[in-house]
Amino acid sequence: AQSVAQPEDQVNVAEGNPLTVKCTYSVSGNPYLFWYVQYPNRGLQFLLKYITGDNLVKGSYGFEAEFNKSQTSFHLKKPSALVSDSALYFCAVRDADSSASKIIFGSGTRLSIRP
Amino acid sequence: NAGVTQTPKFQVLKTGQSMTLQCAQDMNHEYMSWYRQDPGMGLRLIHYSVGAGITDQGEVPNGYNVSRSTTEDFPLRLLSAAPSQTSVYFCASQKEPSSYNSPLHFGNGTRLTVT
Repeated sequence: AQSVAQPEDQVNVAEGNPLTVKCTYSVSGNPYLFWYVQYPNRGLQFLLKYITGDNLVKGSYGFEAEFNKSQTSFHLKKPSALVSDSALYFCAVRDADSSASKIIFGSGTRLSIRP
Repeated sequence: NAGVTQTPKFQVLKTGQSMTLQCAQDMNHEYMSWYRQDPGMGLRLIHYSVGAGITDQGEVPNGYNVSRSTTEDFPLRLLSAAPSQTSVYFCASQKEPSSYNSPLHFGNGTRLTVT
């Protein structure tokens, strides 16, 4: 069965500092991995995805994520945080080798950037 | 381009009442799904559909029914509402389930309260 873990409920970072939001996953086959962001009273918006190839994936708003197969991790990163990055972030996984089409989400991490 | 449209935005039900949450997309996406979002639990998959006439259960299907008579619409039915179904419900669609790696497009959610 697929699963995703986001070990931190909240991450607090000062503006201008680098940020990392952690995600680990479990799938039977190869993973397709995604990051989404949710702003208040809105649906989720796609940020970036890992399918295959380079382990460092670049996405929207200056975010990037690093895929680490041995650690089964897909941490979200940004070199310099902005106050406007404050939001709820979700990691998601799909089993690339399965005929099932389920996309499973983690519990979310609230990112708070202080000025 | 409307994307994924959910109605209503808010709903209050009494225990035992029934209702249907509507979801429509105008992107000709084959895959549609319903999630519920609860504090500390992230998004949990309720039901999903890989095309008209095909539906399957997700992680938390009990108490919910779905049908997919057209590509555009994927309504979620609560036959007898319970307080445990108080949540925010999101509908999401995806272009092709077989590609596995295209991002989900989310609606803005329906906030349901069951008293």
